[in-house]
Amino acid sequence: ETGVTQSPTHLIKTRGQQVTLRCSSQSGHNTVSWYQQALGQGPQFIFQYYREEENGRGNFPPRFSGLQFPNYSSELNVNALELDDSALYLCASSPDPDYGYTFGSGTRLTVV
Amino acid sequence: GQQLNQSPQSMFIQEGEDVSMNCTSSSIFNTWLWYKQDPGEGPVLLIALYKAGELTSNGRLTAQFGITRKDSFLNISASIPSDVGIYFCAGQVGDYKLSFGAGTTVTVRA
Repeated sequence: ETGVTQSPTHLIKTRGQQVTLRCSSQSGHNTVSWYQQALGQGPQFIFQYYREEENGRGNFPPRFSGLQFPNYSSELNVNALELDDSALYLCASSPDPDYGYTFGSGTRLTVV
Repeated sequence: GQQLNQSPQSMFIQEGEDVSMNCTSSSIFNTWLWYKQDPGEGPVLLIALYKAGELTSNGRLTAQFGITRKDSFLNISASIPSDVGIYFCAGQVGDYKLSFGAGTTVTVRA
């Protein structure tokens, strides 16, 4: 139990559809980041939120968007799904990024 | 963007052996982190390094932050079967994104 809970654990979507992935962090974890991990690769940074504002973004198109809520939960939304979006999506949160992040177990998204 | 080269890509260990892996970058990082990922799980933080030249241990794990701030290594001493998994290095600049290597897969030698 890491204190960061992601749902659902697995998901299958059709190309062109939209998907929302959810993350619940520990109380006090004001910073949340989302990563995409393709099979056999390291996680790639998508974006980060601090106190409900996006404060950093990686090389992902605008169809990847997010929200962070006051109750330490957050969402990753992906529109117009493509086959290459198939990956493990990881949420990571921290009370202070200088001292590392705690990762959830991820959501395995398959786009067919 | 920042690219981390992690080596070896994979290794086989025999119980009791010491193993070593490293990570190099073309960019400077302020923080180096080592994570382990088991199948179906997210990465779990093993060791965090905050100063160039720093050598830090966590049980049988030892990691160092290179003095150039562009590299780091991780050693595992007296390996045991539960050490199998994928080990990732990650560099951090400022207060947000982590840049990960592609991972070193550790497998037990039969």
